[in-house]
Amino acid sequence: GESVGLHLPTLSVQEGDNSIINCAYSNSASDYFIWYKQESGKGPQFIIDIRSNMDKRQGQRVTVLLNKTVKHLSLQIAATQPGDSAVYFCAVSSGYALNFGKGTSLLVTP
Amino acid sequence: GAGVSQSPSNKVTEKGKDVELRCDPISGHTALYWYRQSLGQGLEFLIYFQGNSAPDKSGLPSDRFSAERTGGSVSTLTIQRTQQEDSAVYLCASSSLQGARTEAFFGQGTRLTVV
Repeated sequence: GESVGLHLPTLSVQEGDNSIINCAYSNSASDYFIWYKQESGKGPQFIIDIRSNMDKRQGQRVTVLLNKTVKHLSLQIAATQPGDSAVYFCAVSSGYALNFGKGTSLLVTP
Repeated sequence: GAGVSQSPSNKVTEKGKDVELRCDPISGHTALYWYRQSLGQGLEFLIYFQGNSAPDKSGLPSDRFSAERTGGSVSTLTIQRTQQEDSAVYLCASSSLQGARTEAFFGQGTRLTVV
């Protein structure tokens, strides 16, 4: 089965800095990748997705990079704000079920 | 409603009792998922419904767990003879197209505590 892991369980950044959250996956057949943000007491909220035919995708203040060679995915958040503090999950799919990593807790300090 | 709705938001039950958790997906969404999230952990896939197709139950941890989806809309996750290790947040998600190829919207979850 798919194994999805995040490199760092917690990340602390200063407000205004850029944040990078990493994720590794094991199944080379995985072809759809999503980043979710989960705030305390809430369900995961979609941030950005990318399909395997792309290497990079940009949204508002967020960029997802996909390296299929080493099966690595990253989420970059520009000019991190206090409201970005949350747990971030990568989710990977090779079919329809999304396999989630354990999450990285991002703490933004003033 | 505008989003995925789950009820109850919190449930405390005694060990050995049965519980039912409800999910109302976004109207028109044909795909529905149940996930379980234990404290400090990622989301564990439980079951997937897509239209009228047979559900994928491969993630259900034991035969005490079952789920149904009536009329292609509302879904109920049932846990029989609850155990303490069943304590977790149970999350439901729905999406508009087949499988996980598009954004899955999550509900707020039901926090289950088995005492």
